[in-house]
Amino acid sequence: DIQMTQSPSSLSASVGDRVTITCRASESIDTYLNWYQQKLGKAPKVLIYAATSLQSGVSSRFSGSGSGTDFTLTISSLQPEDFATYYCQQSYSTPRTFGQGTKVEIK
Amino acid sequence: QVQLVQSGAEVKKPGASVKVSCKASGYTFTRNYIHWVRQAPGQGLEWMGIMNPSGGSTTYAQKFRGRVTMTRDTSTSTVYMELSSLKSEDTAVYYCARDAPYYSDDSGDAFDFWGQGTMVIVSS
Repeated sequence: DIQMTQSPSSLSASVGDRVTITCRASESIDTYLNWYQQKLGKAPKVLIYAATSLQSGVSSRFSGSGSGTDFTLTISSLQPEDFATYYCQQSYSTPRTFGQGTKVEIK
Repeated sequence: QVQLVQSGAEVKKPGASVKVSCKASGYTFTRNYIHWVRQAPGQGLEWMGIMNPSGGSTTYAQKFRGRVTMTRDTSTSTVYMELSSLKSEDTAVYYCARDAPYYSDDSGDAFDFWGQGTMVIVSS
């Protein structure tokens, strides 16, 4: 199974800050990498697919980069509604696997 | 609009089985695979398996093989996930999610629509 490791596990940031979350795969997954946002008590929501493509309807302050084993999710200017937990997930092989999550909290 | 609506919360005793439903609407049911993902309280997301609603084929995560069965009813556009021999560690929210391939050869996919989740509590 491909292991996905996110860092950091949590972070505190202020509204307006630029936030970066990283995700590393245990082997190359090309660009088969998705990012999800999950708010408390809700189902996850896809933000970025195929490493860099913005899901329809998602704010352009979210962006993704990377290929191979190293990936990044960037929030250009953190907004109050962005406080949530973020997960990366690989779709290169079965089983699909997720990172352990990064909780973004208010500073 | 695409919707996945899941059945309600369940409380089960250890050793019992649970069957969760996921009713799809707003798109052609047989065109998109359905995944099942679970989340234990305060924990991350865990993929359980995938089903092709068209032919009924399934692929399960190794961890759940022998205990999980995914089926579908095309007449009602509903997918089911049954988990047997329940243990306390199976206490979780169970989600269905629609598969959305993003390359022309159908390789690579994201989960673009999710059900609201079904809480399953396993307790004696």
